[in-house]
Amino acid sequence: EPEVTQTPSHQVTQMGQEVILRCVPISNHLYFYWYRQILGQKVEFLVSFYNNEISEKSEIFDDQFSVERPDGSNFTLKIRSTKLEDSAMYFCASSADRVGTGELFFGEGSRLTVL
Amino acid sequence: KNEVEQSPQNLTAQEGEFITINCSYSVGISALHWLQQHPGGGIVSLFMLSSGKKKHGRLIATINIQEKHSSLHITASHPRDSAVYICAVSRGGADGLTFGKGTHLIIQP
Repeated sequence: EPEVTQTPSHQVTQMGQEVILRCVPISNHLYFYWYRQILGQKVEFLVSFYNNEISEKSEIFDDQFSVERPDGSNFTLKIRSTKLEDSAMYFCASSADRVGTGELFFGEGSRLTVL
Repeated sequence: KNEVEQSPQNLTAQEGEFITINCSYSVGISALHWLQQHPGGGIVSLFMLSSGKKKHGRLIATINIQEKHSSLHITASHPRDSAVYICAVSRGGADGLTFGKGTHLIIQP
C-alpha cells in the first residue's frame, strides 16, 4: 500500500539552529500539507502546497517557516532559528484531490526537540 | 472560528463493548474526517464523510449535517483498538483541517 514517508523520525537541535524536515508524498498525489502537534495538544494546520506553490497557510506559518518541493518526489519543511516552542511532532500529509474531496494520507511524523 | 468538540475526552471500556465517540462542530463544512492516532504518534485516516454513514469492518461513522454532529462507533471492541481517535473538519474553500482534541480510548482485555 502506498504511504507517505517522513525523515528524520526524531531530531534534536539547539535553539537557534535551522532544521529541515523531509517528506515523500504518495507518488500520484497533487496536494501536500504540513501539520504540527505540540505534546498534549491538538493537531494544527501549518501549510498546504499545490502546483508548486503555497495555497494556504495558517497564522502559525510565519517567516520562520518555509516549504519547498525541490524535486519531483520530496516535500520539505524548513524551520529557521528554532525556538523552544517549536518542539512538536510535525506531520506531512498528501492527497490526490483537494481536502474535503480526497482522502488524506499522513506520514508517521517527525518529532522535533529543541533544547 | 470553527471549533470541533469531541466527547468523551477519555474512555476506558472492556473488550467486546460497543464504543461511541461523538464530535460536534460549529460551522458549515465540506467533509468530516475521523482519524486514529497510535501510541507512537502516527495518524491514520479512518473515514472521510460528508453525509450519511460509512462502515469499514467493525468501525461505523455517521454524520448529521443539520445537527452538525458526527459519531464514530466501534463494535466488538478489542485491545488493539486502543488509540486516540480524532475528529477533524474541512471547510469549503479552505485547505487546512481543523482538529478536535481527540478521544483517548483504552480497551481492557
